[in-house]
Amino acid sequence: EAQVTQNPRYLITVTGKKLTVTCSQNMNHEYMSWYRQDPGLGLRQIYYSMNVEVTDKGDVPEGYKVSRKEKRNFPLILESPSPNQTSLYFCASSLENRGSPLHFGNGTRLTVT
Amino acid sequence: DAKTTQPPSMDCAEGRAANLPCNHSTISGNEYVYWYRQIHSQGPQYIIHGLKNNETNEMASLIITEDRKSSTLILPHATLRDTAVYYCIVRVVRTSYDKVIFGPGTSLSVIP
Repeated sequence: EAQVTQNPRYLITVTGKKLTVTCSQNMNHEYMSWYRQDPGLGLRQIYYSMNVEVTDKGDVPEGYKVSRKEKRNFPLILESPSPNQTSLYFCASSLENRGSPLHFGNGTRLTVT
Repeated sequence: DAKTTQPPSMDCAEGRAANLPCNHSTISGNEYVYWYRQIHSQGPQYIIHGLKNNETNEMASLIITEDRKSSTLILPHATLRDTAVYYCIVRVVRTSYDKVIFGPGTSLSVIP
């Protein structure tokens, strides 16, 4: 089944403890992206990647890192999480063209205390 | 970047057509309009997309105005399960730039 898989679904951590949220897709998509969703603010793009080894900042990249060493994986790294990064996170992927829809994962709910 | 504006909320009677409008007056000639919906906190679900022509699939129809400055998503026979937040977005693609920007969306309530 074609899908975008995020792990974990739920994560509670403490301020400053490094964490990684994984994202994997099995559709051979070039484009991958991370979003965070907060009440009243909608979905905001954190980082995106147009292909392997190519990443770029979205609208809210501060406090996050990403890497794209292989096509199927696009992990989101929080080196030193803070409470303002408590949010619902979504990973998405698509073919690399403007006429291709995004496929979203089921989300990761992160709480930083 | 092309931005979209949508009404914050709408109601629709069950069994009737739901018509959700979207304005995208700054869209460029080769940028597609996409519609997604999100039920509770699940991942956004793709519905339909189009460039210039009207489109229809098993879920919905998309009507794009001739000047491409606005569009309407039509759910022909709304059911209670169509209650969700609906997002109209434009995918902005340049040579080294590919962003998908979501607005706040329209919260559709289908009423029995």
